[in-house]
Amino acid sequence: GAGVSQSPSNKVTEKGKDVELRCDPISGHTALYWYRQSLGQGLEFLIYFQGNSAPDKSGLPSDRFSAERTGGSVSTLTIQRTQQEDSAVYLCASSLGQSFDEQFFGPGTRLTVL
Amino acid sequence: AQSVAQPEDQVNVAEGNPLTVKCTYSVSGNPYLFWYVQYPNRGLQFLLKYITGDNLVKGSYGFEAEFNKSQTSFHLKKPSALVSDSALYFCAVRDSASGTYKYIFGTGTRLKVLA
Repeated sequence: GAGVSQSPSNKVTEKGKDVELRCDPISGHTALYWYRQSLGQGLEFLIYFQGNSAPDKSGLPSDRFSAERTGGSVSTLTIQRTQQEDSAVYLCASSLGQSFDEQFFGPGTRLTVL
Repeated sequence: AQSVAQPEDQVNVAEGNPLTVKCTYSVSGNPYLFWYVQYPNRGLQFLLKYITGDNLVKGSYGFEAEFNKSQTSFHLKKPSALVSDSALYFCAVRDSASGTYKYIFGTGTRLKVLA
């Protein structure tokens, strides 16, 4: 079956511009996560959505970052007024929704801010 | 607060030799522990997990991991390494007492299997 998909795969933008990153989770998965992976670094948690509950936004690094999930499916991560330090690979993952379920990761979006 | 540590940035092992990739954790309650692998130019893939029960868990590609509560460790092992095992390995933990679905990932360990 189809896995988690993310678009675009690559995004190059200029400092100060806004960007939107999209994630399509696996159908039926109620939990959706966003992570950031900087070069040589581990995975940094950004936000997760679980069913109809309020999202856990505790990992968002600043108020320039926001995310939404529409209809319990597709999610969009928006970065406003991008900075060079925002350059990273942004990963989306989904899971069935139990607290111990493994996550299925998308291929990521590589964001480069010039 | 929950945390996880992978003390080695890189592990080198000869093909055919056993390999170990280390992971230690800190949680308030009981841990849910995971290993993921990231092959070059591919996405992260789930390898195995410990939730409860038998301390030795077996996963994909011949990997296994042992949960050690007293040492708060969850080391990844394989009896005989393959060159194709060369990849970036991540340990992740969730605290069952945290009331959140948030997972903390380690910084990753690059495994290099030499032919």
